[in-house]
Amino acid sequence: EVQLVQSGAEVKKPGESLKISCKASGYSFTTSWIGWVRQMPGKGLEWVGIIYPADSDTRYSPSFEGQVTISVDKSISTAYLQWSALRASDTAMYYCARFRELDYWGQGTRVTVSS
Amino acid sequence: DIVMTQSPLSLPVSPGEPASISCRSSQSLLHSNGYNYLNWYLQKPGQSPQLLIYSGSNRASGVPDRFSGSGSGTDFTLKISRVEAEDVGVYYCMQSLLNYTFGQGTRLEMK
Repeated sequence: EVQLVQSGAEVKKPGESLKISCKASGYSFTTSWIGWVRQMPGKGLEWVGIIYPADSDTRYSPSFEGQVTISVDKSISTAYLQWSALRASDTAMYYCARFRELDYWGQGTRVTVSS
Repeated sequence: DIVMTQSPLSLPVSPGEPASISCRSSQSLLHSNGYNYLNWYLQKPGQSPQLLIYSGSNRASGVPDRFSGSGSGTDFTLKISRVEAEDVGVYYCMQSLLNYTFGQGTRLEMK
């Protein structure tokens, strides 16, 4: 059974760094793109970026390029989304998904950035 | 960027009645390989989105056959033949021809 299990909710202050995770199981992690989708409070879905675990080829939405970093650790089948300096506008739910038609999704990680 | 436009944005439906959602793209999603790069997702209240339809008209595994997708190029439709209470939520179309873009979402609610 394919599963994507995300790390827990985070509450941070503006300017702080953060790295959230998405652990995959039940399929060959290195041979499917995996990525992230943002959902701001009460809003729709936005594509953040994707990574191909086999070679770490990474693609970002122009809206998120330079704002976040996506990475993987193949040894533990885990993808990451990180920020070096959070802003209040990063407050949102972040979903990871297997980008083979986005057929499997994680449960979401809620990130709250507030002073 | 490819812009995705859904209509209506709100859809009140009585149980057992049909429902239809339209999705239009700013450029054709039909690839030279013959596939339309258009998927449909449902986000039920408090849940993660789930895949309903891929490549415009293929039902994902486990999706009831009351859901169907049609269309090609720039115009696509998701139809529910008989709406059930469990179908309540927000429906999104998404293109994956050039990066990934979601429509604004259509909220289906029970009358």
